[in-house]
Amino acid sequence: KAGVTQTPRYLIKTRGQQVTLSCSPISGHRSVSWYQQTPGQGLQFLFEYFSETQRNKGNFPGRFSGRQFSNSRSEMNVSTLELGDSALYLCASSLSGGAQYFGPGTRLTVT
Amino acid sequence: AQSVTQPDIHITVSEGASLELRCNYSYGATPYLFWYVQSPGQGLQLLLKYFSGDTLVQGIKGFEAEFKRSQSSFNLRKPSVHWSDAAEYFCAVGENAGGTSYGKLTFGQGTILTVHP
Repeated sequence: KAGVTQTPRYLIKTRGQQVTLSCSPISGHRSVSWYQQTPGQGLQFLFEYFSETQRNKGNFPGRFSGRQFSNSRSEMNVSTLELGDSALYLCASSLSGGAQYFGPGTRLTVT
Repeated sequence: AQSVTQPDIHITVSEGASLELRCNYSYGATPYLFWYVQSPGQGLQLLLKYFSGDTLVQGIKGFEAEFKRSQSSFNLRKPSVHWSDAAEYFCAVGENAGGTSYGKLTFGQGTILTVHP
């Protein structure tokens, strides 16, 4: 089975812009979770989608949003980018929760 | 709220030596526990998981971990370290809601492993 894929792998944006990141889960997996990884804060949970519904949400501002499509693919959007949003964004998929399998991440740099 | 503590930020071992990475968790019920490994610039790879049953869990790459409820610990071990094991290791706890695990993991701060030849 193919693993979790994320696109793009690298992204450079300017403050105030918005960005959309994409994640394709492992075939058959219905849960997709998103995490932000930074040197200062470590790995932090953003949100989880299961069967197109947000099932869990972390402690991030409303500028961070996501959605899941009927084929389980997921996107996350960050609006009005700030310098502090520079991070590695990781997507993980699982059958319905439990053990999660991570993609390679999208490295976002905000200038 | 659940939390995970990895007391060691950086550990250095010689190739062939044994390894133990410490992990302590805080969770109100029986947790789901995981160890992941991350190489620089890469995503996380699942090493092993504990949901229930035998408290000694075997994983990939020769790793094992032992769940000790009385100590709220889930330490990762390997009897003989290889140079390719150099990476960052993360312990994580997942929610256990009545036997259902949801897709939210809380991670420790990670332990960087350096392997000397």
